[in-house]
Amino acid sequence: EAGVTQFPSHSVIEKGQTVTLRCDPISGHDNLYWYRRVMGKEIKFLLHFVKESKQDESGMPNNRFLAERTGGTYSTLKVQPAELEDSGVYFCASSQLRGFSDRREKLFFGSGTQLSVL
Amino acid sequence: GENVEQHPSTLSVQEGDSAVIKCTYSDSASNYFPWYKQELGKRPQLIIDIRSNVGEKKDQRIAVTLNKTAKHFSLHITETQPEDSAVYFCAALPGGSARQLTFGSGTQLTVLP
Repeated sequence: EAGVTQFPSHSVIEKGQTVTLRCDPISGHDNLYWYRRVMGKEIKFLLHFVKESKQDESGMPNNRFLAERTGGTYSTLKVQPAELEDSGVYFCASSQLRGFSDRREKLFFGSGTQLSVL
Repeated sequence: GENVEQHPSTLSVQEGDSAVIKCTYSDSASNYFPWYKQELGKRPQLIIDIRSNVGEKKDQRIAVTLNKTAKHFSLHITETQPEDSAVYFCAALPGGSARQLTFGSGTQLTVLP
């Protein structure tokens, strides 16, 4: 099966510019997550969609970040305007079920978008 | 909220030796502990997980142990091979309504031939 795909794989922008990251989850996966890893640190949760609804956006750093998932399929994460501290790897992940109580449940990650803000 | 500490940040071992990565967590209600492996340029992938009703789980050369009392869990890789070289992340799923995985900061494992 096709995995979680993210685009672009790398993005280099200047401070103040806008960048939009895209994530295509595995087909049929209602749950879509965004995470970020700043260099050398932990993978930090940003937000969680169930279909098109934001289930939990407690990890979003500030209002410069906007995530959407129109139609409950792919998702976009826009950073506007970008700041230096936004640099890092942005991961998207998807899962069919939620809660991890089901032993068959797994979180599938994309390869990430390396964002560099100069 | 949950806080996961992971050590060491880097680990080098000779091929054939064992490697151990340790994580501690803060939320005593956490009940699910997965480990992810990220090879260079690739996506993180689940390699093994353990739930709080089990103390140890093994899958071929990898094993995970959980000590609920001490709130720590460890990944053990035996007979390491060069293809084990990667960044390994531990994670914990806290109890309560805010059930999102909390990850550790990662361990860069290098297996020297």
